[in-house]
Amino acid sequence: KAGVTQTPRYLIKTRGQQVTLSCSPISGHRSVSWYQQTPGQGLQFLFEYFSETQRNKGNFPGRFSGRQFSNSRSEMNVSTLELGDSALYLCASSVKAGGFYNEQFFGPGTRLTVL
Amino acid sequence: DQQVKQNSPSLSVQEGRISILNCDYTNSMFDYFLWYKKYPAEGPTFLISISSIKDKNEDGRFTVFLNKSAKHLSLHIVPSQPGDSAVYFCAASGAGTASKLTFGTGTRLQVTL
Repeated sequence: KAGVTQTPRYLIKTRGQQVTLSCSPISGHRSVSWYQQTPGQGLQFLFEYFSETQRNKGNFPGRFSGRQFSNSRSEMNVSTLELGDSALYLCASSVKAGGFYNEQFFGPGTRLTVL
Repeated sequence: DQQVKQNSPSLSVQEGRISILNCDYTNSMFDYFLWYKKYPAEGPTFLISISSIKDKNEDGRFTVFLNKSAKHLSLHIVPSQPGDSAVYFCAASGAGTASKLTFGTGTRLQVTL
């Protein structure tokens, strides 16, 4: 079974631009979560989507948004990029939303650099 | 406010010995705990988990212990192998938000020959 895939793997943008990252979950997984990893803040939860609905949201500004499609694929968008948005963005999928022993499987991440 | 803390940024252990990685949490609403391993340029890989109704869970060389009264969990790796060298993150979630993981800052484990 193929794992979680994320595209692109690397991205360089300039301040003020916007960016869209894509995530394809493991086949049969219906929940997709997004995390941001930075050296200063570590791994932080952005949001979770299940059945095309946002189920949970972390403490990030409205510039960060996402969506999920009927095939469970997900995209996240960051508008008006700031230097501090430079990070590794990780996507994780799980079979269902929430519950014990519903482990999340992570993709390799998209490394975003904002200049 | 760091709700999940891993106070040791790094740990070095000889091959064959036990590795013990520690994690403390402050949020009493957390009831599910996980350990992930991460290699550079890869996403975290799930290792083992434990729910708050248990105090121990084993899977092969990996055992997680949970002390709810102390809000402390630990991961034991026995015996440690060079391939275990990686960054280990503990993570926690609460009932109803189990997909929303709060991660610790990670401990870099180096297993030496």
